[in-house]
Amino acid sequence: DAGVTQSPTHLIKTRGQQVTLRCSPISGHKSVSWYQQVLGQGPQFIFQYYEKEERGRGNFPDRFSARQFPNYSSELNVNALLLGDSALYLCASSRDRSSGNTIYFGEGSWLTVV
Amino acid sequence: AQTVTQSQPEMSVQEAETVTLSCTYDTSESDYYLFWYKQPPSRQMILVIRQEAYKQQNATENRFSVNFQKAAKSFSLKISDSQLGDAAMYFCAYRSLQGGSEKLVFGKGTKLTVNP
Repeated sequence: DAGVTQSPTHLIKTRGQQVTLRCSPISGHKSVSWYQQVLGQGPQFIFQYYEKEERGRGNFPDRFSARQFPNYSSELNVNALLLGDSALYLCASSRDRSSGNTIYFGEGSWLTVV
Repeated sequence: AQTVTQSQPEMSVQEAETVTLSCTYDTSESDYYLFWYKQPPSRQMILVIRQEAYKQQNATENRFSVNFQKAAKSFSLKISDSQLGDAAMYFCAYRSLQGGSEKLVFGKGTKLTVNP
């Protein structure tokens, strides 16, 4: 079975632009989460979506938004990009929200804002 | 709020030797899961091992084992017979279900170097 897949793998944007990152979860997984990892730090939680509804949101500004589609894939949108948004964006999926879940990660999307 | 602390920014070990990476966490929840993830230069987060808080028995996965001390809120990772391929960043993570959302809270990571 394919793992969590993300696209694009690398992209460069200019300050003020908007970006959309895409994620396909592992087959059968209904929960998708997004994390931001700045160089030298651990990942920070941005969003969790389960059954197409937002279930949790981290401490990120409203410029960050996301959605989940009927096939459980997800998009993360960031508007009005700032230099500080440069980071690795990781998508993770899990089967459901039970306590026994394991969370699996994709390879990430490298975003550079210039 | 939950926090995870990894006090060793960098560690090194000789090939075939054993190394222990430290992690402490803070939480008010009684039921939770803890994880160690490995992040090689490719940057993909790879699950190494997980521990259920209600289990007193320490988790083991081949050369990887944990020392889980619930009262002390400590969760260290031991790598035995270290191999060159073990070189990576290692992140300790706490899984929270607080507020109805599932999220991982990560430490800042420990960079492990394996010397031949």
